[in-house]
Amino acid sequence: EDQVTQSPEALRLQEGESSSLNCSYTVSGLRGLFWYRQDPGKGPEFLFTLYSAGEEKEKERLKATLTKKESFLHITAPKPEDSATYLCAVQDGATNKLIFGTGTLLAVQP
Amino acid sequence: SAVISQKPSRDICQRGTSLTIQCQVDSQVTMMFWYRQQPGQSLTLIATANQGSEATYESGFVIDKFPISRPNLTFSTLTVSNMSPEDSSIYLCSAQGQGNTEAFFGQGTRLTVV
Repeated sequence: EDQVTQSPEALRLQEGESSSLNCSYTVSGLRGLFWYRQDPGKGPEFLFTLYSAGEEKEKERLKATLTKKESFLHITAPKPEDSATYLCAVQDGATNKLIFGTGTLLAVQP
Repeated sequence: SAVISQKPSRDICQRGTSLTIQCQVDSQVTMMFWYRQQPGQSLTLIATANQGSEATYESGFVIDKFPISRPNLTFSTLTVSNMSPEDSSIYLCSAQGQGNTEAFFGQGTRLTVV
């Protein structure tokens, strides 16, 4: 059964304090691993898709990496506006379904 | 990137009634999905909306309760039928193009059943 586990559940950082969020997964045939940002009361905002182990993608202060079992979302020198819930999802290659983790609630304090 | 519009953005409904949520995409997409997100929780897939055929439902979700239509490649509806307070949640539409690397979401419909 496809499964996605994110850690930590919540993370509080000082502005400028870099850290990483983890997404561990099991899936029968990975079509892609997706990262989203979700602000309160809004739909998830697409950030990245990763397809194969060793792949990396960057966007501003965010960098996503992928191994065969997990993905990391690295946040470098975060700002308060980076505060949000970050969601990870895997897409099953056989069914095309996106299976989501429970998310990491990030709070960046000035 | 695709832009997804969902209507209504929120509604308060009486128990026993039904609500239809509309999802419009600004470009043709291969796959459309409906999710539910309960307060403080992550997204749970309800069903895959298939163009021209019956939707594919996940375990725990049935067509009689959540009928879905997808008449073309840019539009889908989800109906929440015979509502109870337990159906209070955020309902989200998602779309993904053929071979597309990105899966986009609408802003969601916040449903409260009283």
